Amino acid sequence: EAQVTQNPRYLITVTGKKLTVTCSQNMNHEYMSWYRQDPGLGLRQIYYSMNVEVTDKGDVPEGYKVSRKEKRNFPLILESPSPNQTSLYFCASSLGRSLNTEAFFGQGTRLTVV
Amino acid sequence: AQSVAQPEDQVNVAEGNPLTVKCTYSVSGNPYLFWYVQYPNRGLQFLLKYITGDNLVKGSYGFEAEFNKSQTSFHLKKPSALVSDSALYFCAVLNSGGYQKVTFGTGTKLQVIP
Repeated sequence: EAQVTQNPRYLITVTGKKLTVTCSQNMNHEYMSWYRQDPGLGLRQIYYSMNVEVTDKGDVPEGYKVSRKEKRNFPLILESPSPNQTSLYFCASSLGRSLNTEAFFGQGTRLTVV
Repeated sequence: AQSVAQPEDQVNVAEGNPLTVKCTYSVSGNPYLFWYVQYPNRGLQFLLKYITGDNLVKGSYGFEAEFNKSQTSFHLKKPSALVSDSALYFCAVLNSGGYQKVTFGTGTKLQVIP
């Protein structure tokens, strides 16, 4: 089954404790991205990747890092989480090359930073 | 910078009545436009897209959307609403000229009343 898998689904952590949210897709998609969803703000893109070793900032990259060492994986790293990073996070992938293909989304990761 | 506006936070409609969820956009060049739906505790699911061609686009679950270039709008419609259509709907745009970022609207909650 074609899918985007995020882990964990729920995470509560303390300020400053490094964490990683994993994302994996099994569709051989080139384009992957991370979003955060906040009430009243919709989805905002954090980082995206056009292919292996190619990443770029989205609209709200501050406080986040990403890496794309393999085509299927695109982890999101919070080196020193802060309470304002409490949010619902989504990973997405799409075929990407033509840019007009729809995105497949993971189930989401609800992160709480206390 | 590109942007998407969904002017209604919530739309209420009686079951069986037609529904419209509004979206307007701003982008330089020709747009690629998308609608996604989010059910509770789930990731976003693709509904339909406009790339080029006919202004009326048909998608999943009986939804359709009309692209209006002069009004820069891409409203989502359905002739007869179902209770199961109740969800959060997002409009998204990206520039066909190669700008890689996708911009989402803030979302519209659709409530179909039995």
